[in-house]
Formats: sequence, C-alpha cells, structure tokens
Amino acid sequence: NAGVTQTPKFRVLKTGQSMTLLCAQDMNHEYMYWYRQDPGMGLRLIHYSVGEGTTAKGEVPDGYNVSRLKKQNFLLGLESAAPSQTSVYFCASSYSEGPPDTQYFGPGTRLTVL
Amino acid sequence: DAKTTQPPSMDCAEGRAANLPCNHSTISGNEYVYWYRQIHSQGPQYIIHGLKNNETNEMASLIITEDRKSSTLILPHATLRDTAVYYCIVSRNSGAGSYQLTFGKGTKLSVIP
Repeated sequence: NAGVTQTPKFRVLKTGQSMTLLCAQDMNHEYMYWYRQDPGMGLRLIHYSVGEGTTAKGEVPDGYNVSRLKKQNFLLGLESAAPSQTSVYFCASSYSEGPPDTQYFGPGTRLTVL
Repeated sequence: DAKTTQPPSMDCAEGRAANLPCNHSTISGNEYVYWYRQIHSQGPQYIIHGLKNNETNEMASLIITEDRKSSTLILPHATLRDTAVYYCIVSRNSGAGSYQLTFGKGTKLSVIP
C-alpha cells in the first residue's frame, strides 16, 4: 500500500514549456486535490476532484488544468510554464470531502521554472 | 470563513509536553478543527481533529474550549522528530456540501535536546 505517490519528484522547465504532474493513490479514495506551497507559506488549493471524471477550481487555479480520467489518478498540467509557477506541488486524497474526513498527502514535486 | 491565528514559532525541551495554541474565534457550529504537521520538505501529515469534545489519539491530544473559539494541540512527550510546522485548520464550507482545508503559515515547533 503505497498511499499517495507523485511523479516526478523534481523538474526544471524553461518559460513557455509544458508539463504534466501525475498523482496516484491506491486507497480507493473518491476525492483528490492539488496544492502548491511557496517558501514560507502555507498550502494553497489549485484544483480538486470529487470523483472520476470531475474537476473543480480551488483558490489559485489560473495557469493550471487538471484531469481525472481514472479514479486513482489526478493529473495537473501546465500548458505554458511561468516563473511564478516555481513552487512545491502536493497532491492529496481523501475518502470523502466533508468533515471529519482527513486528507493524505504525497511527498511533493519540486518545480523550477527558469 | 473561520480564520485561525497561531504563534509563528515555539520551542520545547525534548521529553516535555508541547502545547500549541490556536485561536479560531469566528468558527461556525458545524466547522471542525484539524491539526496537520509538515516535517521539512515532506507532505503534510494529519494529526487529529475535533468538533466540540476533547480528543486523543496515539499522536496527540486536542483540547477545545467550551465556546470553541480556541484550541490547544498537546504532544505529551515531544521528541526531536516532532520538530515541524504545525497547522491549525478550520474546515471551510465552500458551498454545495463542499469543504476545503485552508492552510495558514502555522507554528514552527523546534524540539530542543
């Protein structure tokens, strides 16, 4: 039982390049989330999904797209990377969305955009 | 939305109890208090949550005041591995049955040998 895994762990992009971050969970969770964390800051929600085939915007969705084609996977895409998207990205999943359910987090992806 | 206020940093001697305070004076009746922690460079880790009553699990205890305007996370015997940023979070109802966790800056706990 690996929990929540993220691929890749590190990535360096040039401005304008595109990439996709993959999040996978093996806990049969319905809900999945993408957060970003900037230095000295808490986590901010980018997008989330309440089930296979669904996505919704979080607090900071601009510049990102997501897809949830399979229940166990949640993809975060950057179509044209910008230096402002340099951050650590965390994926999380939970069985349900409402409280008191808890979110389980992956190890993070460190992205640098030059 | 209920917001939380935490001290930016705290120190605790190894083996002693660490008491981390959190103010959430605008919390609504159906909002839960969650605590997560983040050890350097790792993903956040769930610790405990509560609604009205005090809660205890294998990691910590959560004390919520009767008026629910503040709470305290207690690590009974802090170890060096408990050095982390601790986040107090109030679940936010964003409409249509949707709840989100909003992470602030948290409290940086340093456990000192």
